[in-house]
Amino acid sequence: GDSVTQMEGPVTLSEEAFLTINCTYTATGYPSLFWYVQYPGEGLQLLLKATKADDKGSNKGFEATYRKETTSFHLEKGSVQVSDSAVYFCALMIYNQGGKLIFGQGTELSVKP
Amino acid sequence: IAGITQAPTSQILAAGRRMTLRCTQDMRHNAMYWYRQDLGLGLRLIHYSNTAGTTGKGEVPDGYSVSRANTDDFPLTLASAVPSQTSVYFCASRDRALTGELFFGEGSRLTVL
Repeated sequence: GDSVTQMEGPVTLSEEAFLTINCTYTATGYPSLFWYVQYPGEGLQLLLKATKADDKGSNKGFEATYRKETTSFHLEKGSVQVSDSAVYFCALMIYNQGGKLIFGQGTELSVKP
Repeated sequence: IAGITQAPTSQILAAGRRMTLRCTQDMRHNAMYWYRQDLGLGLRLIHYSNTAGTTGKGEVPDGYSVSRANTDDFPLTLASAVPSQTSVYFCASRDRALTGELFFGEGSRLTVL
């Protein structure tokens, strides 16, 4: 079935370090791909998305490129800040399944000053 | 402030009791969803509704029921709570079932003893 796999956390980085959070997916159709972020005590918020192969989503310094050949959508940021500490979720949506989102297990990021 | 309101924020419940988690949105979104979030498992879809008057089962529907009598409200009911239903529950909505950003409430933390 359709699924999303993320690298396990927690990930701990120093401020200004480079961030990569790996995400790979399995899907029978042509999914749209998303990254959501959950700050402590809050619900999830959309961070970025890509709807077709080779699209790059970007927001708040974060980027992810939809790689169909490797079925991946890795999240990157060149220089993380303490305020980026949160849980990050990769997700996919397949339109012929009613647009339901399938989430990965989440990766906790902790950025130290 | 427009958005999704969930209630209660937190609840401790004895096993066997009935519980309804409330969800109200004021964005006039057509589609609404209930997810549960468990450590290491990410978010899993319980039930969804693509429009008022219709509902559907998600990935983990057993032990839960929903109703969608109008556009704004989407309550989730546990008829007879069990300890495995201890989780954080998130309600979400979006304008249309197949497109659009998913907006999340702040969650309801439920503990079943």
